[in-house]
Amino acid sequence: AAGVIQSPRHLIKEKRETATLKCYPIPRHDTVYWYQQGPGQDPQFLISFYEKMQSDKGSIPDRFSAQQFSDYHSELNMSSLELGDSALYFCASSTTTGPAEQYFGPGTRLTVT
Amino acid sequence: AQSVTQPDIHITVSEGASLELRCNYSYGATPYLFWYVQSPGQGLQLLLKYFSGDTLVQGIKGFEAEFKRSQSSFNLRKPSVHWSDAAEYFCAVGGNAGGTSYGKLTFGQGTILTVHP
Repeated sequence: AAGVIQSPRHLIKEKRETATLKCYPIPRHDTVYWYQQGPGQDPQFLISFYEKMQSDKGSIPDRFSAQQFSDYHSELNMSSLELGDSALYFCASSTTTGPAEQYFGPGTRLTVT
Repeated sequence: AQSVTQPDIHITVSEGASLELRCNYSYGATPYLFWYVQSPGQGLQLLLKYFSGDTLVQGIKGFEAEFKRSQSSFNLRKPSVHWSDAAEYFCAVGGNAGGTSYGKLTFGQGTILTVHP
């Protein structure tokens, strides 16, 4: 079965650089979520989109922005990267914003040096 | 605000022994509860979910969980653990406590399971 695809899987950036993470949801899933998981931490919700509109926002820094495109894929843009942004970034998708389970991608490991 | 507590950071069991991982939640409305499993450096795999109805839910890999509203708990159980079950387990809560979407999940701190042969 098709799963959530994230690219790239690994990314190394220097401080103050920018990064773009991409997420391709499971076919026919219209809702995308982004989570950040620091080393040894639990995943923290960043932002979500439903039908290309932002549906909820969590602890996402102002330096980060995201959007969902017409084909439902989503991109997380991160600027002025800081060492503390080093983490595993997960994308998840679901069918609706109702009580539906979320399916997670393999994650993008971002390392900021 | 919603929150999840997993009291046990690390649990060690012998292969073939039974397992119970504890999860307590705090939520202002009807919670939707989930258990996910994560192997090192990997994504999160959904084990099971509770939305409503029967409070004992069955999941994949022989796992089950019981929702107890009076105790605000959603403990995960398995009668006989296999070496391949070694991983980190996360309990999560979602719902719509006056928010704009059901989707946002709040995770517990995770429980690392070690299985001895």
